[in-house]
Amino acid sequence: GQNIDQPTEMTATEGAIVQINCTYQTSGFNGLFWYQQHAGEAPTFLSYNVLDGLEEKGRFSSFLSRSKGYSYLLLKELQMKDSASYLCAVRDSNYQLIWGAGTKLIIKP
Amino acid sequence: IAGITQAPTSQILAAGRRMTLRCTQDMRHNAMYWYRQDLGLGLRLIHYSNTAGTTGKGEVPDGYSVSRANTDDFPLTLASAVPSQTSVYFCASSLDGSTDTQYFGPGTRLTVL
Repeated sequence: GQNIDQPTEMTATEGAIVQINCTYQTSGFNGLFWYQQHAGEAPTFLSYNVLDGLEEKGRFSSFLSRSKGYSYLLLKELQMKDSASYLCAVRDSNYQLIWGAGTKLIIKP
Repeated sequence: IAGITQAPTSQILAAGRRMTLRCTQDMRHNAMYWYRQDLGLGLRLIHYSNTAGTTGKGEVPDGYSVSRANTDDFPLTLASAVPSQTSVYFCASSLDGSTDTQYFGPGTRLTVL
């Protein structure tokens, strides 16, 4: 079967750095997405990786290793507004997105 | 309209009733999707449409139907609602069905009693 694993919850301090990991086992691979979802709101797109390596976008970076079935989202200079759930999704061989359950990130002052 | 809209925002429904959730986008995206989101689970695809006039089944299609008469609208119908269909429903769209990023509507919170 297809599986996306992420930690359920993480806590970090304002101003710090946090890394959210995602491991996947899917039938085929056509890219990996990270989305942010604030409580009660819709998911919003953060990043996309299809080749190995690091993609940087301001305070957020995303890394992919296809051989290890692994990705991480790195958030720097954490702000209170970064408190949200972070969803990892893999596009499989049928070009459908398979979603992880999400990681709830709690930022403390 | 800018982006994707969904209606209603929330609804409480008696089991056995028929319900249609509406989704409209004005981005001229070809592909549209319906997901449900339940606590502790990832988003699960119900149905999708890669272009107007075509639809396909996702991971959890039973009890749901869709139509795609035009590019902008993609309604989701529950023919006879059951309590296990209590969930938050998100509509999404992308420029195409294979390579583009999906953008989400605000969601509909549905409770079936």
